[in-house]
Parts: sequence; structure tokens; C-alpha cells
Amino acid sequence: DTAVSQTPKYLVTQMGNDKSIKCEQNLGHDTMYWYKQDSKKFLKIMFSYNNKELIINETVPNRFSPKSPDKAHLNLHINSLELGDSAVYFCASSPRGSGNTIYFGEGSWLTVV
Amino acid sequence: SQQGEEDPQALSIQEGENATMNCSYKTSINNLQWYRQNSGRGLVHLILIRSNEREKHSGRLRVTLDTSKKSSSLLITASRAADTASYFCALNGGGKLIFGQGTELSVKP
Repeated sequence: DTAVSQTPKYLVTQMGNDKSIKCEQNLGHDTMYWYKQDSKKFLKIMFSYNNKELIINETVPNRFSPKSPDKAHLNLHINSLELGDSAVYFCASSPRGSGNTIYFGEGSWLTVV
Repeated sequence: SQQGEEDPQALSIQEGENATMNCSYKTSINNLQWYRQNSGRGLVHLILIRSNEREKHSGRLRVTLDTSKKSSSLLITASRAADTASYFCALNGGGKLIFGQGTELSVKP
């Protein structure tokens, strides 16, 4: 009955590789997000989609490309991975009219070596 | 800065004691939210307080908001070892939620 699920949970990859993280929510929410949490636990929004439309695109390198095939899915593709991309990536969703109350997935731990 | 600043960064208490965490901010907000993050897990929403509210309770949690001072506090009463986690305040203004860096709470049995 996982509400926001993301895969993989752990990912170790070499510099220069391309990788994807998938996310699905079964809550019927309209809005989905990607957040990045660094080693100091600072959580920063990367992207937000509302009904498959991009509404927030923070200052993120072009190597990061989100894709929302439908409102229940928001995947994150990262090209040419760099050491600094190592972080925990959280997918999240929120219902309309919730005041932006956010429901998080369990995170994907990305390590670039 | 749009994000909230939390104080203290780390807090260690004994089980049964109360824990107070503070969040200060500089922008105007629609609401302020508190989240908990257990080690290795995602964030979990605890409580939301609107800009026109001053205090909210949820179980052992009490949140206050002072918009004139642009500050909020989260009080956990009668803490338990299971309350050990990081606690984040998040500001909702301008259509997105901006998180602070969190307070790391350790409750010793």
C-alpha cells in the first residue's frame, strides 16, 4: 500500500554514466515533486509537475530531466553523472488545496564514484 | 533567504523531557509546516499551521506561530526514544514549500 514509491532505493554508478530514478504515487494527487537532500540534510526542491505540466524548475543543471508520462508518475533522468550529484533524491506528491502538504517517498540514495 | 532557519541544529534530551525546536524566517507565508525524518527514511508531515493561526496541537505536539516575529516553535512533550529524528520546518509561500536544514533530536532512554 505504498503511497509514494521510488526505485531504485540505492544506486552506485560511475562518473559520466546516465541513470534514471522512477517514481509513482497511488494517492491520486495532482502535483508531484523531486527534491534533493545533500549530506548536510539540506532539502532543496528541483522540479514540480501539476497534471503532467512542469510548474517549478529550480536552478538545476540541464543534465537533470524530469518526465511525467501521466499524473501518477514522475521520473528523473540524469545524464553524465558527476561526483557532486551524490545525494538522496526524494520524490513527493501533494493533493490540490492541501496548502502544499507533501507526501514523500522513501528516497533514492545515489552515489557517484 | 527564503528558507526557515532552525535552532538548535542538534538537541539531546532524556526520555520524558520536553523538546523545543524553533524556526525563524524572513518572507511572508501562507502556512508553515513541520516534518519529521527518521534516519534513512523519507519526511513525514506532522502539522500545518496557517498564517492566521497562533497555536495548534496534535497529540504530544504543540506548534506556535508568531507572524510578527516571523518565528515558529515545535514542542514535543514527554519525549520518547522513538521521537529521535530530524525535524524540519517548511515555509509555504509563493506556491512552493521551502525547507529549513532541520534540528536533529536525540532522545536517550
